Amino acid sequence: QVQLVQSGPEVRKPGASVKVSCKTSGYTFTSHGITWVRQAPGQGLEWMGWISAYNGDTHYAQKVRGRATMSTDTSTNTAYLELRRLRSDDTAIYYCAREAHSGGSTGFDPWGQGTLVTVSS
Amino acid sequence: DIILTQSPATLSLSPGKRATLSCRASQSLPNSFAWYQQKPGQPPRLLIYDASSRATGIPARFSGSGSGTDFTLTISSLEPEDFAVYYCQYRTKWPPALTFGGGTKVEIK
Repeated sequence: QVQLVQSGPEVRKPGASVKVSCKTSGYTFTSHGITWVRQAPGQGLEWMGWISAYNGDTHYAQKVRGRATMSTDTSTNTAYLELRRLRSDDTAIYYCAREAHSGGSTGFDPWGQGTLVTVSS
Repeated sequence: DIILTQSPATLSLSPGKRATLSCRASQSLPNSFAWYQQKPGQPPRLLIYDASSRATGIPARFSGSGSGTDFTLTISSLEPEDFAVYYCQYRTKWPPALTFGGGTKVEIK
């Protein structure tokens, strides 16, 4: 079955960087785009960006543009999110999710289990 | 920017009742709409895509409808496992971008 398994929790100080991985299995990696969404404690869902697993094209939300970099490794079917110059308001659970259908579907399914990133001095 | 407003913020209902959740867009949108369910400590789960198509494995009691600026998720008869937070989401095709609503919590009355 299709699975997205994310790396473990991270703690960073303000100004540092973090890189979260999302290892996929059970489907043709290059056929589905990947999106990254975060959720601050007790809050709603915030879209961060999207990457094509086919050619590496990326599109970022305005809020994180310039601080976030999304990438993929087709040899290991893994997607990555790096976030730099971390601030306390970056503390959140970070999720990766796969386009439910190839070719740019509306919905995303499945989602990774989430990675808690805590930014604290 | 597109804004999605979900209402009500909280819906208190008994099992077996019908739940109607609303998502209103700040401008008229095509049907690139999805709905998700999220339970505590879990990632979101896709319920509906393209405004009215049920995702794989989703029970028939969940249905989506709407067009333009008003989209609705209906749960025809609430089961105990349906009490959760529900989010609507719009996707622009290109460049790809997602917008989420603020969520509706469906709680047991």
